[in-house]
Amino acid sequence: GESVGLHLPTLSVQEGDNSIINCAYSNSASDYFIWYKQESGKGPQFIIDIRSNMDKRQGQRVTVLLNKTVKHLSLQIAATQPGDSAVYFCGLNTGFQKLVFGTGTRLLVSP
Amino acid sequence: DGGITQSPKYLFRKEGQNVTLSCEQNLNHDAMYWYRQDPGQGLRLIYYSQIVNDFQKGDIAEGYSVSREKKESFPLTVTSAQKNPTAFYLCASRTRTGLFWETEAFFGQGTRLTVV
Repeated sequence: GESVGLHLPTLSVQEGDNSIINCAYSNSASDYFIWYKQESGKGPQFIIDIRSNMDKRQGQRVTVLLNKTVKHLSLQIAATQPGDSAVYFCGLNTGFQKLVFGTGTRLLVSP
Repeated sequence: DGGITQSPKYLFRKEGQNVTLSCEQNLNHDAMYWYRQDPGQGLRLIYYSQIVNDFQKGDIAEGYSVSREKKESFPLTVTSAQKNPTAFYLCASRTRTGLFWETEAFFGQGTRLTVV
């Protein structure tokens, strides 16, 4: 079956630092991977995706890296701000459009 | 405004009662999903549907049931067979263009169910 996990339940950083959130997965057949951000009491919001034929994709202040050899995905947030404080989920699309997610990493940004 | 709406935001039920959570979307999306969220457990897939009148079990379907009679609606019933129903429930939807599915799924704001 498929599984997605995250390496750390909580990550604490100082404002202005770069944050790196890691994720491991077991399914090699996924055609893309996704990152979501969930603020307290709200539904998750899409951040960025990466196709399985890519190893890097950049967005606004975020970069996602995909290492298929070790089945590892990471989300890098540059110049982390207090508004980035949230729970971050990695996910993947399996066969038949089944979307599965990991356990999440809570990012805490202190001033 | 287009979006996905879950209601109610908070729901309380007595143990042994079935309860139905509403999820409606006006985005004209083909696929809809139900997830359960518990502290430290992440998002776990309950059921999903790619098309009207069809749905598939996710990873934790036991004790739940769904229907997809209309494209815009995907209600979830939490039955009395669900042993630990208290949780935060999230509905999501996404669309496709021709044969290709969009990668982004849109989530509702969730329903927090408490069973006492």
